[in-house]
Amino acid sequence: DAGVTQSPTHLIKTRGQQVTLRCSPKSGHDTVCWYQQALGQGPQFIFQYYEEEERQRGNFPDRFSGHQFPNYSSELNVNALLLGDSALYLCASRSSGGTDTQYFGPGTRLTVL
Amino acid sequence: GIQVEQSPPDLILQEGANSTLRCNFSDSVNNLQWFHQNPWGQLINLFYIPSGTKQNGRLSATTVATERYSLLYISSSQTTDSGVYFCAVPTGGGNKLTFGTGTQLKVEL
Repeated sequence: DAGVTQSPTHLIKTRGQQVTLRCSPKSGHDTVCWYQQALGQGPQFIFQYYEEEERQRGNFPDRFSGHQFPNYSSELNVNALLLGDSALYLCASRSSGGTDTQYFGPGTRLTVL
Repeated sequence: GIQVEQSPPDLILQEGANSTLRCNFSDSVNNLQWFHQNPWGQLINLFYIPSGTKQNGRLSATTVATERYSLLYISSSQTTDSGVYFCAVPTGGGNKLTFGTGTQLKVEL
């Protein structure tokens, strides 16, 4: 039973560039959430996708956008990168028909130079 | 919004020692999760515990929802227990998890 997977593991970009991060949910899960974790802090909720639509959003600018595909996998896109976007980006999945438990992937570490 | 505070912020233990980590939340919640974040950044589920007590090996957790706190007990600590422990609660009526401030644990030989 595969857990949540994310790609790439690490990424280095420069200011102003755009980046796409990918997530495959745990088998049987249909809901995906994205979190940003800055160094030394707890994860912060970016948004949630269910049935290919954004259902809930945290306090992040429109530069952060996402997509969910029919197979439940998801992408996080960040445009016009800023130095402050450097962080660990975590994807979590859950089953809409199960408990509220969210399971996290290993994360993508993004460095913006 | 809801505030989630954890204590202590930092903890250093000798291998074999026991510890108690605390999570306080400022409003009623439907459930609570405990996670261990290892040095590589992976968040590992420990407990889903809206109320009551659960045990898993050397770890156990208790949530007293009416008093708005949860405790995580680690017994006979091992060096592999090192890392950051987070509690998290759902907020905003959906899937948004609000994480606590974390407890950084270091277990030494």
